[in-house]
Amino acid sequence: AQKVTQAQTEISVVEKEDVTLDCVYETRDTTYYLFWYKQPPSGELVFLIRRNSFDEQNEISGRYSWNFQKSTSSFNFTITASQVVDSAVYFCALSESSIDQTGANNLFFGTGTRLTVIP
Amino acid sequence: GAGVSQTPSNKVTEKGKYVELRCDPISGHTALYWYRQSLGQGPEFLIYFQGTGAADDSGLPNDRFFAVRPEGSVSTLKIQRTERGDSAVYLCASSYRRSTEAFFGQGTRLTVV
Repeated sequence: AQKVTQAQTEISVVEKEDVTLDCVYETRDTTYYLFWYKQPPSGELVFLIRRNSFDEQNEISGRYSWNFQKSTSSFNFTITASQVVDSAVYFCALSESSIDQTGANNLFFGTGTRLTVIP
Repeated sequence: GAGVSQTPSNKVTEKGKYVELRCDPISGHTALYWYRQSLGQGPEFLIYFQGTGAADDSGLPNDRFFAVRPEGSVSTLKIQRTERGDSAVYLCASSYRRSTEAFFGQGTRLTVV
């Protein structure tokens, strides 16, 4: 069975600080996909990144970076030089490979981490 | 439209009533998903459509919940005999194919009183 754990329920940082959001997952599949979504107060889930289980290369996109480590089943997300607009709930999600290997299955979400950036 | 559109944005209904929630996916997206998000929780999968057919409805909690997508575009989630425990935000998402990123709508907040 699949499981996604986001142990940090709420985090507060002062603007310009760096912050890392933790995500630990469990799956029996060897092929799977990991995601991060941002949910601002408007409620819409905004896609940030998708990473497949065969690609452990870390990724950087502007102030965002992701550290995928299969050895510890973690997919952590770091925001550098945080800004007030980064305030939101961030969800990590897991999708296991479909039986016919056609791609990602449905998403299993963690409980989210509420990030507050204080000006 | 530019994104996934869900209507209504808010719905208040009395216990025992029937409700319909509508989702307009992004044009050209063949895959459509419904999720339910309770307060303080992450979204939970309900049902997935590929085209007109429900390819996976394993997340529907019971037979009071039903969803259709008759023409492979707009989808309607239907809840019969609503209960207070059905109160949640119902999110719809669509993707070009099953293996590509899903884009979410802003959700319908359902409150059963």
